[in-house]
Amino acid sequence: AQSVAQPEDQVNVAEGNPLTVKCTYSVSGNPYLFWYVQYPNRGLQFLLKYITGDNLVKGSYGFEAEFNKSQTSFHLKKPSALVSDSALYFCAVRDTSNQGGKLIFGQGTELSVKP
Amino acid sequence: KAGVTQTPRYLIKTRGQQVTLSCSPISGHRSVSWYQQTPGQGLQFLFEYFSETQRNKGNFPGRFSGRQFSNSRSEMNVSTLELGDSALYLCASSILAGGPDTQYFGPGTRLTVL
Repeated sequence: AQSVAQPEDQVNVAEGNPLTVKCTYSVSGNPYLFWYVQYPNRGLQFLLKYITGDNLVKGSYGFEAEFNKSQTSFHLKKPSALVSDSALYFCAVRDTSNQGGKLIFGQGTELSVKP
Repeated sequence: KAGVTQTPRYLIKTRGQQVTLSCSPISGHRSVSWYQQTPGQGLQFLFEYFSETQRNKGNFPGRFSGRQFSNSRSEMNVSTLELGDSALYLCASSILAGGPDTQYFGPGTRLTVL
């Protein structure tokens, strides 16, 4: 079965420090991977996606993600965290086991950036 | 371009009632997907529509249903509401369905069942 795991429920980072939010996946074939962010009482905002090609994907708000096929990981990174980055982050993979665009989400990681 | 809109934003119902949620996709998007978000179960896929046809359905009881109209707007209906149906219901739209296409989410409808 296809799945996504986010091993950390919460990540705490000091403002200005680099941040990493981890994601591992299990799919058959080539994966389409996505990162979304959710602020309180809001929907999910798209950050970036990996389709193919360059393993380092750049996205919105200074975020980037590194695709590693051998480790089946797609970690979200940012060189310098901001307090405003504090939110809930979701990694997702497209379900390719049947037709359609269903996304399978990880359980989410709460990012807290302290001043 | 306007984003995905969902109405209503908040809804309070009692057990046994039914509810209809509405979603208007981004202009030009033909695919609409629905997800349920709860603290315990996280984000779970409900169903997906493309050009008025249901393409995919998640593992939810038959009380959950949906449809898509010719203008790509979508509605989902939950009948005989249960306490456990309390959740944030998110709608997402994309140009096509599947592959690398990005799904863009609306703000959600917060349903509370009393």
